[in-house]
Amino acid sequence: SQQGEEDPQALSIQEGENATMNCSYKTSINNLQWYRQNSGRGLVHLILIRSNEREKHSGRLRVTLDTSKKSSSLLITASRAADTASYFCATDGRSQGNLIFGKGTKLSVKP
Amino acid sequence: KAGVTQTPRYLIKTRGQQVTLSCSPISGHRSVSWYQQTPGQGLQFLFEYFSETQRNKGNFPGRFSGRQFSNSRSEMNVSTLELGDSALYLCASSLSQPGAPLHFGNGTRLTVT
Repeated sequence: SQQGEEDPQALSIQEGENATMNCSYKTSINNLQWYRQNSGRGLVHLILIRSNEREKHSGRLRVTLDTSKKSSSLLITASRAADTASYFCATDGRSQGNLIFGKGTKLSVKP
Repeated sequence: KAGVTQTPRYLIKTRGQQVTLSCSPISGHRSVSWYQQTPGQGLQFLFEYFSETQRNKGNFPGRFSGRQFSNSRSEMNVSTLELGDSALYLCASSLSQPGAPLHFGNGTRLTVT
C-alpha cells in the first residue's frame, strides 16, 4: 500500500525556474526521504529529513517537513534539463521496517 | 565502490514459467530489499533480507520468494508467471542502520507474454 502521495503527478517547467513537489503521508514516521529516477533506471537517493527536523538543504535542493500536516515538499531551484526525472518520497514509518514509496512526480524541464 | 548490480537487465518469459533474478549489493551492505515497479501500482515492497534472513515481507503471493547468501548477494524467484508480473524489479542495498538510504540497481525489466 502507498504511504506517500506526491502532488502534482506531472510538472513541466522551463530551465531556470524552480520546481516544487509535495508529498503527503498517512502514519507517524521516523524520517522521510526523496529519491530521483531517470527513465528506466534505478532510484537515486537525494536527501533525508528526520521527523524532528523542519527544513534541510542540499545544493539546489530544499526539503521541508511538517509532521502536524503529515506533509513534505521538495524544492529544486534554478532547474536544469538534467533534472528531468521522476521524484519519489519515501517514508520510514515507526510501525514498519521498510521504506514505502509514493507514486512520484514526473518533472520535465525544457531547455 | 561498485554500485548495486542486477542481472539480467531484460527478460522475456511466457506465462506459467518461472524466473530468477539476481542482485549483488554494494560491498559492506548487508541489507537487500526488492521492489516491483509498475505504471499502475508504482513501487511496491516485496521483501527485505538481512544476514541471510527475511526481515520484512510485503503483500505479495507466495509465488514470489527470495533468498540471501552469505556474501549478501540476493536472488528473487517468481514461479508460475502471470501477465501481471510484467514489471521493473528493483533491488536496493543499504547499511543496516534505521533510516539508512537505499542504493538501487538499475533493475531487471521482466516481460511476461
